[in-house]
Amino acid sequence: LAKTTQPISMDSYEGQEVNITCSHNNIATNDYITWYQQFPSQGPRFIIQGYKTKVTNEVASLFIPADRKSSTLSLPRVSLSDTAVYYCLVGDIGYGGATNKLIFGTGTLLAVQP
Amino acid sequence: KAGVTQTPRYLIKTRGQQVTLSCSPISGHRSVSWYQQTPGQGLQFLFEYFSETQRNKGNFPGRFSGRQFSNSRSEMNVSTLELGDSALYLCASSSKGLAGPSSTDTQYFGPGTRLTVL
Repeated sequence: LAKTTQPISMDSYEGQEVNITCSHNNIATNDYITWYQQFPSQGPRFIIQGYKTKVTNEVASLFIPADRKSSTLSLPRVSLSDTAVYYCLVGDIGYGGATNKLIFGTGTLLAVQP
Repeated sequence: KAGVTQTPRYLIKTRGQQVTLSCSPISGHRSVSWYQQTPGQGLQFLFEYFSETQRNKGNFPGRFSGRQFSNSRSEMNVSTLELGDSALYLCASSSKGLAGPSSTDTQYFGPGTRLTVL
């Protein structure tokens, strides 16, 4: 499973767009990129997942360059409630009996201020 | 659809005791994974069960064990508790392993069980 590197922390203000970049130089062909959000003493919450180019949902956008060695989670117009730890993970999404083992890094603590 | 549920939410035990934690996955999910989260080590994978079989295991001692029932509910057991076992224990389920396009790697986490060992 590919290792990921993210900034330890980021600061932002309400209403701003926040971009968190994750490096995964050893990503494998079958690996997908997934981002989770975690609030203190709660389980991680799935945000978005992608394989290449751009993925957008109602919460965030995920930008993946052609070489897939990095990815950027974009949160539009953050609010105070977006203060949380954000984890970037890569892993094989293949069907069948492959493992579901997720390897979490240290994550990025996003602090949104008023 | 109901999410992943874990019971109990909070637990206090003393060293040497054993504990059993329970997890009910999202309906239809057959894969259940367990994770331990501590301030020092972060989120670490314990093991994964699929159709009542352990499919993968992390680097934890044999005191940590689990099982899965035919209805996909899973239990995790920790014997001879140590102070360092104090942590948030998280369970996650996914539809991975099911035939066809409904299979996805996305794991959905429960709220966790906060275990404190005194």
